[in-house]
Amino acid sequence: GDSVTQMEGPVTLSEEAFLTINCTYTATGYPSLFWYVQYPGEGLQLLLKATKADDKGSNKGFEATYRKETTSFHLEKGSVQVSDSAVYFCALSSNFGNEKLTFGTGTRLTIIP
Amino acid sequence: EPEVTQTPSHQVTQMGQEVILRCVPISNHLYFYWYRQILGQKVEFLVSFYNNEISEKSEIFDDQFSVERPDGSNFTLKIRSTKLEDSAMYFCASSVRGRDQPQHFGDGTRLSIL
Repeated sequence: GDSVTQMEGPVTLSEEAFLTINCTYTATGYPSLFWYVQYPGEGLQLLLKATKADDKGSNKGFEATYRKETTSFHLEKGSVQVSDSAVYFCALSSNFGNEKLTFGTGTRLTIIP
Repeated sequence: EPEVTQTPSHQVTQMGQEVILRCVPISNHLYFYWYRQILGQKVEFLVSFYNNEISEKSEIFDDQFSVERPDGSNFTLKIRSTKLEDSAMYFCASSVRGRDQPQHFGDGTRLSIL
């Protein structure tokens, strides 16, 4: 079945550091890929998405590129801020008729001033 | 911006009792979902709902669970006889269409079974 593997956390960085959170997936066909973010005490918010190979999703300075050859969708940001502290989830949606999201385990990110 | 709203934010229930979790999806959305997140674990799919019927359900969604869209705006998850292991955060989500469109999530209901 479909699965998503995410970099284990927690991750602690200093403000303005470069961020990478690794995500790889296993799926049949060509899934759509998403990054969701969960701030403390809140629900899941869509951060960015990509629906086909080589697409780059971007939002709020975050980027991720859909790499079919390496089945990856790594999240990057050039200069993180304290307000980026949250839990980040990589997820996929299969293209075989169902719409459910399959999530990774989540990566807790803490940014220190 | 339209939001998915969930009530209550926290529900405490005795084991064996029935519980109903409520959700109001975004008004023009057609696909509805429930997920759960046990503390410290990943978010897991429970069920998807479209055109007034279940379109897919996971192994977790057994006979103790049911969903309903009683009035065209609310979308409910019922657990008939709760167990300790049902303690989790339950998220409702909705989307305009399926696969390519993002699902919009509510803030969740924390269910605590005593």
